[in-house]
Amino acid sequence: KQEVTQIPAALSVPEGENLVLNCSFTDSAIYNLQWFRQDPGKGLTSLLLIQSSQREQTSGRLNASLDKSSGRSTLYIAASQPGDSATYLCAVLYNQGGKLIFGQGTELSVKP
Amino acid sequence: NAGVMQNPRHLVRRRGQEARLRCSPMKGHSHVYWYRQLPEEGLKFMVYLQKENIIDESGMPKERFSAEFPKEGPSILRIQQVVRGDSAAYFCASSRSTRSTNEKLFFGSGTQLSVL
Repeated sequence: KQEVTQIPAALSVPEGENLVLNCSFTDSAIYNLQWFRQDPGKGLTSLLLIQSSQREQTSGRLNASLDKSSGRSTLYIAASQPGDSATYLCAVLYNQGGKLIFGQGTELSVKP
Repeated sequence: NAGVMQNPRHLVRRRGQEARLRCSPMKGHSHVYWYRQLPEEGLKFMVYLQKENIIDESGMPKERFSAEFPKEGPSILRIQQVVRGDSAAYFCASSRSTRSTNEKLFFGSGTQLSVL
């Protein structure tokens, strides 16, 4: 069964800290992996997409890595800010067709 | 270039009524996906549609739920005879194609369905 797991479920850090969110998936034959941000009552914003042939992607203070052999991805957030507070979702695509398998998310709170 | 538009944002229905959720994909996108987020649960895939065709409906409940994406107009997710367990946030996403491993899905803001 294809499953995606995210730990921790919730994380609270002081402003300025660097932090790592973890995502693991059971089937390594992925098409791509995406990290999303979800703010309360709102939709999902795509942060980073890592293709199956890539090992990492960077955008500003965000860096996502992918290790297919171990079934893991990490999202690294540098110099966290209160505006980063949101739920971060990891989602895996196993084939063409848009059927993303989502993790349960990590709820991040960055305290000023 | 407007994003994925969903309406209504909030929909309240009584048990037994019908719910119709609409989704207009981003301009130039011909692939539409519906996801459901139940309380305390993660997002779950429901259905994938291309213009006038259902490509994958493996996540759709077998009864009461249907989806369409006509040649003209928005995609519609229809829930007949709603029950309290249908209360959830329903998200629509769209993409230009599915051929590239670099193709992102863009999500709408969702419709929050509440069944009384």
